[in-house]
Amino acid sequence: EIVMTQSPATLSVSPGERATLSCRASQSVTYKLAWYQQKPGQAPRLLIYDASTRATGIPARFSGSGSGTEFTLTISSLQSEDFAVYHCQHYYNWPPFTFGGGTKVEIK
Amino acid sequence: EVQLVESGGGLVQPGGSLRLSCAASGFIFSNYWMSWVRQAPGKGLEWVAHVRQDEGEKYYVDSVKGRFTISRDNAKNSLYLQMNSLRVDDTSVYYCARVPGSSQATFDVWGQGTMVTVSS
Repeated sequence: EIVMTQSPATLSVSPGERATLSCRASQSVTYKLAWYQQKPGQAPRLLIYDASTRATGIPARFSGSGSGTEFTLTISSLQSEDFAVYHCQHYYNWPPFTFGGGTKVEIK
Repeated sequence: EVQLVESGGGLVQPGGSLRLSCAASGFIFSNYWMSWVRQAPGKGLEWVAHVRQDEGEKYYVDSVKGRFTISRDNAKNSLYLQMNSLRVDDTSVYYCARVPGSSQATFDVWGQGTMVTVSS
């Protein structure tokens, strides 16, 4: 089973600043990596798939990069609605699909 | 509007059973793989089960194999999860989710979730 590790667990950022979130896979998942945003009491929302492709309707301030075992989600200028928990998920050589433990982006 | 609506959650004793349902609308349900994903209180996401369009392939996370069964009824645009021999650690919000394709096996549409609590 591929283990996904996200860091940091919590990221404190001021509105308007850049946020950089990391996701590491225990073995290569090539480009098969997705990012989700989840706000309290809500279901997750797909942000990025194939490591760097934004899902429909996702603002350009969200960008994904990486391949193999190291991936990054960057939010270029944090808006108030971006404070949430972010999850990564691989879909290489499934099952199982596995998620990282999540990174909470909070207001500094 | 593309929508998934779960139902069937509730409180059940350890060893009990529960059947979750997910009603799909706004898209051609029979064209998509579908999954169940759960989230224990205050924890991360865990994929539970996955079913092909024609039910010809079904997959489960190891912790539920032999206890949970995923199924679907394309005529009713519905997805199901039969959960037997429930354990305390099955307590979670259960989401149904649409999968765009077997090569892009992400979860692009989610329901609002239904809470399952296993407790005596």
